[in-house]
Amino acid sequence: SQTIHQWPATLVQPVGSPLSLECTVEGTSNPNLYWYRQAAGRGLQLLFYSVGIGQISSEVPQNLSASRPQDRQFILSSKKLLLSDSGFYLCAWGRGVLETQYFGPGTRLLVL
Amino acid sequence: QQQVKQSPQSLIVQKGGISIINCAYENTAFDYFPWYQQFPGKGPALLIAIRPDVSEKKEGRFTISFNKSAKQFSLHIMDSQPGDSATYFCAAWRNTDKLIFGTGTRLQVFP
Repeated sequence: SQTIHQWPATLVQPVGSPLSLECTVEGTSNPNLYWYRQAAGRGLQLLFYSVGIGQISSEVPQNLSASRPQDRQFILSSKKLLLSDSGFYLCAWGRGVLETQYFGPGTRLLVL
Repeated sequence: QQQVKQSPQSLIVQKGGISIINCAYENTAFDYFPWYQQFPGKGPALLIAIRPDVSEKKEGRFTISFNKSAKQFSLHIMDSQPGDSATYFCAAWRNTDKLIFGTGTRLQVFP
């Protein structure tokens, strides 16, 4: 069966510090991978998606970036965090168009 | 248009009652409509999904009704239970490989 992991589970960072969130998927190969952000009490905002190694599409211009160094690894980064970057970050995987997306447990980020 | 509009924002239902959440879309290129359930502090989990070639899909107490001509779909939770208390998101696939989510409905079921 497939499993998706995210870490860390929670993170408190000062404004201006760098960020690295990691997501890995087990039990499948060549998945589509997604990063979403969910603000408190809000919906899910797609940030990045990837259909293969090194292939990243950005949905929202901002100070975040994503990378996919391995087939089942997806990393969300920032060089300098802003207060507005606080939120619940969710990684998801799917097999392709019109297929279900499966979400990880999420990382709660608080920028102070 | 790429939006999916979801209502109500919050819903309070008594145990045993029917919970109804509605979604509407504008882009006729959408072709797959999943519903996700999210408990506090957890990632969303797929609850039930429908494709536009059927008007209704039922799984246990959960039913999706789909009206293609009106570009609307809804989730019905029959015999609602306190354990159903969660946030529910409707979604629709855009014409490539990106899901578009509604804004969510927070459901509270009281005993």
